[in-house]
Amino acid sequence: QVQLQESGPGLVKPSGTLSLTCAVSGGSISSSNWWSWIRQPPGKGLEWIGEIYHSGSTNYNPSLKSRVTISVDKSKNQFSLKLSSVTAADTAVYYCARKDSNDAFDIWGQGTMVTVSS
Amino acid sequence: AIRMTQSPSSFSASTGDRVTITCRASQGISSYLAWYQQKPGKAPKLLIYAASTLQSGVPSRFSGSGSGTDFTLTISCLQSEDFATYYCQQYYSYPTFGQGTKVEIK
Repeated sequence: QVQLQESGPGLVKPSGTLSLTCAVSGGSISSSNWWSWIRQPPGKGLEWIGEIYHSGSTNYNPSLKSRVTISVDKSKNQFSLKLSSVTAADTAVYYCARKDSNDAFDIWGQGTMVTVSS
Repeated sequence: AIRMTQSPSSFSASTGDRVTITCRASQGISSYLAWYQQKPGKAPKLLIYAASTLQSGVPSRFSGSGSGTDFTLTISCLQSEDFATYYCQQYYSYPTFGQGTKVEIK
């Protein structure tokens, strides 16, 4: 079965760029699914960041669009997130997730905590 | 953005209770709604999609209803493992989530 695993630095300096990768195992990133990034600040709710298809097509949350880049590496079966000009407000658990044929997020990674601090 | 509002934000219940959580969309979203369960330190788990379709493997005590702007998640007989936070999420436009409803033990 498909599993997702996030990886990347747990600490990023203010004004820097947050970079995370989501490795897909047990299945192909070239399947007919969109792949998303979702975040959750400590003690708060969920916020969708954006998504990518294996073709490279992307959609982003309008509130983050100017700072977000999501890319895919089919050779490594993974996709990545870059969030620039980060502030403390970007401190959150970041999840990668698969959107299924019903457009719901059916598979999630375990999440990775990213703290923005000097 | 379509705003999703859940009520209540939290409540206490006992094992065996029938509980209902409400989710309201700021505009009509047809049946493009999902429900998730999240336990502390864990990723959300998909329970229901298309407003009322149970995800494979989810116990039948969970059910969803509604369309347009008003939706409900019902747990018919609360079990100990159901104490968690529940989120609704619309996918009529770019995805947005409700603020969550925490179900606590009475």
